[in-house]
Order: sequence, then C-alpha cells, then structure tokens
Amino acid sequence: DAGITQSPRHKVTETGTPVTLRCHQTENHRYMYWYRQDPGHGLRLIHYSYGVKDTDKGEVSDGYSVSRSKTEDFLLTLESATSSQTSVYFCAISGEDREANYGYTFGSGTRLTVV
Amino acid sequence: GENVEQHPSTLSVQEGDSAVIKCTYSDSASNYFPWYKQELGKRPQLIIDIRSNVGEKKDQRIAVTLNKTAKHFSLHITETQPEDSAVYFCAASQGSGTYKYIFGTGTRLKVLA
Repeated sequence: DAGITQSPRHKVTETGTPVTLRCHQTENHRYMYWYRQDPGHGLRLIHYSYGVKDTDKGEVSDGYSVSRSKTEDFLLTLESATSSQTSVYFCAISGEDREANYGYTFGSGTRLTVV
Repeated sequence: GENVEQHPSTLSVQEGDSAVIKCTYSDSASNYFPWYKQELGKRPQLIIDIRSNVGEKKDQRIAVTLNKTAKHFSLHITETQPEDSAVYFCAASQGSGTYKYIFGTGTRLKVLA
C-alpha cells in the first residue's frame, strides 16, 4: 500500500514513558520525514532524514529523537512522553529529482494518546 | 521563520459550484508548491503540484495558479462533487532545491448535495 507503512497504528501510553514509532518504506527513497498533525496547526515537521545516519531537526523537534540505520526504516522516539505530544504522527517519503522536487507519499499515520 | 498561510479554514459550496482555496508563502526562494487532499481518517494524498517556472497547471477539474511576485498560489476545483469533501493542505518548499515543505493549516471543504 503506497510502499510505506507505519507501526503501530494506534497507541495509548502513560506520561513519562518512552515511545518509539516506526516507519518502513519499500521504495528505496532517500528522504524520510516525521510530521505531527494537530487541529489548527496543519502538518508540522519534527525531524527528517536525507540518508542513512543523516538526520536533522524540523520546526517542532523538542522532546523527539530519530534514528535511521537502514534506508528503509526511520524511527521516531519520544524520550519521555507528555500530554502535549498527543497527536497523529505521519511519516512521509520522497524521491530525489535532480531537476525539481517530488511531492511526498505519506504513511497511514499513528494516533498517539498520552494519558 | 518561513510560513504558509491558508484561507479559508472552512468552505461550504453547493454541488456543481466552484471552490477556491488560497495560500500565501513567505520564502521567496520556494520553488515547489504541492496540494494535498486528506479525507477523514486517511493519509494526505498529493493531488496536484506546481513549480515556480509555471504559472498555471490543470488536471481535469482541478487547477493551481501561482503568482510568484505576490507569493500567492491557489487551488481551484470546478464542478464540485460530494467526494471532493475533505481537508485540503497547501505546502511550499523551504528554499530552492530542498525536499522540506512547510504546510498551511488546512481548509475543510464541504460540498453540499
């Protein structure tokens, strides 16, 4: 399904616990992204990766870390979950075009609730 | 920092009428502008995009226009149908040649039968 899967699809966790979300792609795309979606804020970039072990921060990176040890996997970790991190998390991938950008392909999302 | 403003936040139209959603971006180096449609509970999906060297692009009932001077771009949907009801997001690339996009806050379009 679109070559990108996220797991888990839903998760409820307690405040203060660590949480890891997984994004897996089969498209061999170089670029991978984690966004969060909240009402009134649209989609905001948390972290992104432009290759194995190459990652960088987005606009809302505080409290999150990422890792990319293989082309196909991009992990997002909430070090110590807080209620403000309750959100829907989307992973996205994009290919590389020397002449122009490609649009993203999004995963199905992970709905995370921190209680 | 760079931002993208999107208006309106909600839009209701009668079936068969046209709908227009407008976005303004701040980064003059942005050169790629995609539009995404998100149905309830689903992932955002790319519906059309435009690059900065083009002023207009059409795909059946959907069109996008770009005014680089004013830093405006718009989505036009003609002959709207109930299945067009969704949230639409605009986005702009951060700078030129990057693969990071800044998204607008979304427009909820309701097409009334």
